[in-house]
Amino acid sequence: EPEVTQTPSHQVTQMGQEVILRCVPISNHLYFYWYRQILGQKVEFLVSFYNNEISEKSEIFDDQFSVERPDGSNFTLKIRSTKLEDSAMYFCASSGHGYTFGSGTRLTVV
Amino acid sequence: GQNIDQPTEMTATEGAIVQINCTYQTSGFNGLFWYQQHAGEAPTFLSYNVLDGLEEKGRFSSFLSRSKGYSYLLLKELQMKDSASYLCRFSGGYNKLIFGAGTRLAVHP
Repeated sequence: EPEVTQTPSHQVTQMGQEVILRCVPISNHLYFYWYRQILGQKVEFLVSFYNNEISEKSEIFDDQFSVERPDGSNFTLKIRSTKLEDSAMYFCASSGHGYTFGSGTRLTVV
Repeated sequence: GQNIDQPTEMTATEGAIVQINCTYQTSGFNGLFWYQQHAGEAPTFLSYNVLDGLEEKGRFSSFLSRSKGYSYLLLKELQMKDSASYLCRFSGGYNKLIFGAGTRLAVHP
């Protein structure tokens, strides 16, 4: 069964550093998403991406966040200057006929 | 606006039946989904309702009433491995998902 793949599974970074979270969506899916889940809290929508541009973003997705599809397979989330409160699980998802989540990247900002 | 409410925590006994309720408010509606999430893992799809009524899928069933903005997930013959968070969610434009905060279910022997 096709999967959404995320790397790394766990990333530890120092406050103020830039991080890039990577995702490989399902190949024939056209919509891509990033969600965030702070420990013990709900899954929150960050951004959706279609046709090589952002289609919708939440108030969480401020100027420190950016997304990119640098080639035909990868979909990345960049956080420019990480803050302690960015520590969370970040889930990538893609959708076509169905909606599939990746297994997540646990980001820890110290 | 768009909103989802579900209870924060529930406990139940192995072998029993538990019902997890979810109420929602949205102007557009494309279906109500239930997911299971174990700690530190991604949500996994359980069931989906777009029309009113009950959808049964093995030990799990889900019910929807669109007029009441209400759904429930029914888990039968509870097992210890069913201890997890259960998330209800709907689609909220451009396919983005709006999740409830999740109901943490603890199953005891």
